[in-house]
This record gives sequence, structure tokens and C-alpha cells, in this order.
Amino acid sequence: AQSVTQPDIHITVSEGASLELRCNYSYGATPYLFWYVQSPGQGLQLLLKYFSGDTLVQGIKGFEAEFKRSQSSFNLRKPSVHWSDAAEYFCAVGALTGRRALTFGSGTRLQVQP
Amino acid sequence: KAGVTQTPRYLIKTRGQQVTLSCSPISGHRSVSWYQQTPGQGLQFLFEYFSETQRNKGNFPGRFSGRQFSNSRSEMNVSTLELGDSALYLCASKGQLAGDSTGELFFGEGSRLTVL
Repeated sequence: AQSVTQPDIHITVSEGASLELRCNYSYGATPYLFWYVQSPGQGLQLLLKYFSGDTLVQGIKGFEAEFKRSQSSFNLRKPSVHWSDAAEYFCAVGALTGRRALTFGSGTRLQVQP
Repeated sequence: KAGVTQTPRYLIKTRGQQVTLSCSPISGHRSVSWYQQTPGQGLQFLFEYFSETQRNKGNFPGRFSGRQFSNSRSEMNVSTLELGDSALYLCASKGQLAGDSTGELFFGEGSRLTVL
């Protein structure tokens, strides 16, 4: 069975500081990995995705994530956080092939201090 | 290109009633998935429809059902509502190759259901 763990429920960073959100996954085959962001009262927006190739992927809004197969991790990073980045972030794992739904982690809520 | 549209955005029902939520996917997308989001359980997969057929189903009771129309629009229905059904119901569509489930999900803003 596939699963995603986001160990940090809540993170607070200062504006301008760097950010790293952790994601660990469990999946029996080659995973298809995503990071989504959700602002209050909104749906989920895709930040970035990985399914093959370069293990460092760039996304929107200055985010990047690195796939590390040996650690089963797909951590999200941003060098300098902006106040508008305050939101909830979800990591998800899916299948490259086959008919499985995306499995989401429980989310990490990011607060940004001025 | 218009995004995924969900209606209604907010609704209040009482226990025992039923509710129908609607989702219009992005034009050209044939797959529609539904998720339930609650503070306690997070995002949980309900079901996925592709070309009017349910091809994947999550672990929810039979009170939760859905369907998809020939224009790819989808509805989900919850009968005999319980307090625990209060949640944000998210619809997502994805474009994909025939028979292949790879592809990112594009989410609507959700329908927030409150059951009193």
C-alpha cells in the first residue's frame, strides 16, 4: 500500500528565512510525487511534480523539491519565504502506471512571521 | 482555459437529508476524482470516474455515490447525512492518455458541507 508521511504538522518561519518541508513516502514501485499548496478556503494548487529524470525539480513560486530514493523522501524547499507563502502544504504519491488514486499526506501548515 | 468548477460552494443540511454536489472538469479532461477533506482525517479519496465509468473507489460507505455524464461533468451524492459528513468535498480533474493514470490533478475550490 502507498502512504505519505509529513512529520511536521505546523511550522513557523520568519519572512526571508529558508524553508524545508519534509515528506516521506512508502511505495512499492517507481513513485509519482507531488507537492500541492492550499490557501484558506481554496482548493489545492500544484507546486511541482516528479516522476523521472533530474531528482531536483523546480516548481512555481520559487519552490523546489529533491527526490531521494534511498531515503524515500521528497522534501520541499524555498530559499526565502514570503508572507504570501503562508498556507497548508500537501505531499502526495501516485502511480506512474495503473489505476491508483493519489495518496496525500496529512499536510503541514506554514505560518510566516513578519 | 476555465478551471474545475464546483457547485454549490457552501451548503448546510440536517442529519438524514441527502445532498448532491456538482463538478465540471477542465475542458477536455475525462477523469474526475472526488476527495473528502476534514481536519481529523485529512484528504481521503472517494472515487474516480473516467468516461462515465467508476474505475476506482475509496473506502467509504455506500451512502456516498457518484456518476459522470457524457460531457465529463460529475456529481456526487451523499444520502442519509451524518454529522461526520461535514467536510470540504474537493473535485479534481486530470487530462491523461487513454488507460494511463499518470497526470497531475487540477482541483476545484470545493464544496463545503455542514451537517447540523
